[in-house]
Amino acid sequence: EDQVTQSPEALRLQEGESSSLNCSYTVSGLRGLFWYRQDPGKGPEFLFTLYSAGEEKEKERLKATLTKKESFLHITAPKPEDSATYLCAVQSYAGNNRKLIWGLGTSLAVNP
Amino acid sequence: GAGVSQSPSNKVTEKGKDVELRCDPISGHTALYWYRQSLGQGLEFLIYFQGNSAPDKSGLPSDRFSAERTGGSVSTLTIQRTQQEDSAVYLCASSPGTGGYEQFFGPGTRLTVL
Repeated sequence: EDQVTQSPEALRLQEGESSSLNCSYTVSGLRGLFWYRQDPGKGPEFLFTLYSAGEEKEKERLKATLTKKESFLHITAPKPEDSATYLCAVQSYAGNNRKLIWGLGTSLAVNP
Repeated sequence: GAGVSQSPSNKVTEKGKDVELRCDPISGHTALYWYRQSLGQGLEFLIYFQGNSAPDKSGLPSDRFSAERTGGSVSTLTIQRTQQEDSAVYLCASSPGTGGYEQFFGPGTRLTVL
């Protein structure tokens, strides 16, 4: 069964304190792995798509990496505005289904 | 360009009433998804449209839930005889459908059933 597990559930950092969020997945043929950011009361905001092991993508203070079993979202020198819930999702090649399998997210708080 | 829009942003209804939630996807996006998100819970898939057809309705919780999409654009999610457990944020997302599988979300409709 396709599954996505994110850790930690919650993370509190001081401004400037770099860290990483983990997304472990099992899927029958990975079509893509997606990272989103969700602020309270809003819909998820797309950040990155990763397609194959070894791929990396960067945006400002965020860098996403992918292996055959997991993905990391590295946050370098975070600022308070990076506080949000970060969601990971995977899409498999199984069938003709475009459904994403979602993790429960990591709630990140960055203190000034 | 315009993103995904949803209306209403908030809906308060009484148990047993029917509600309709609307989603306007990004222009040109052929794929459209409905999700439900309860407090402290993950995103729960409800239904997926490709064009006007729904290849996957597996996430609809009961036959009180239905959805349609017309003109390959606007979609409506209808919940009949609402129950308190239907209270949640209902999110809509659209995707290009070809060449890109990223889903772009609307702001959601917060449904409260009293």
